[in-house]
Amino acid sequence: AQRVTQPEKLLSVFKGAPVELKCNYSYSGSPELFWYVQYSRQRLQLLLRHISRESIKGFTADLNKGETSFHLKKPFAQEEDSAMYYCALGHNTGKLIFGQGTTLQVKP
Amino acid sequence: DGGITQSPKYLFRKEGQNVTLSCEQNLNHDAMYWYRQDPGQGLRLIYYSQIVNDFQKGDIAEGYSVSREKKESFPLTVTSAQKNPTAFYLCASSPVRGGWNTEAFFGQGTRLTVV
Repeated sequence: AQRVTQPEKLLSVFKGAPVELKCNYSYSGSPELFWYVQYSRQRLQLLLRHISRESIKGFTADLNKGETSFHLKKPFAQEEDSAMYYCALGHNTGKLIFGQGTTLQVKP
Repeated sequence: DGGITQSPKYLFRKEGQNVTLSCEQNLNHDAMYWYRQDPGQGLRLIYYSQIVNDFQKGDIAEGYSVSREKKESFPLTVTSAQKNPTAFYLCASSPVRGGWNTEAFFGQGTRLTVV
């Protein structure tokens, strides 16, 4: 069965510290992985996709098929990064499933 | 104004009644999704549809039903068989290219409370 696991409910760091939000998945085929973000009082929105290999707002994520992981990283956290982050897995049947979410709290 | 719209924002239902949540999009997206968001459980997939007149069960479809008669619309009915219906419901749509979904766009959600 397909599954996305985000082991941390809450991650709290100080401004300027590195951030790593963990995501592990289980899927037997070739997945497409995403990170979505929900800022306070805003809609859930796409942050980045593994296939595009881009850096958005300083965040990057590398797909590691051996470890079945897609961790989200940023070298220096900013206060405006505080939000709820969801890892998601899609595949070619159209199914799109999400993890439990991690709240990132960046303290001044 | 393009986008995906859910209505109503808040909904109250008496126990034992069915209720239908609306989701409309004018983005010309093929795929549409319904999720349930509960604290600590993330987004759980209820139903999804890749094309008009076709839909698939997600991970928690029991007690829910959907229809996809038009590309723009994907209403969700919460039936009396759903044992714990009080939740926040999110609808999303996504373009599909080569069978793969791409970026999903979300509605603002409907909070359903059973009283």
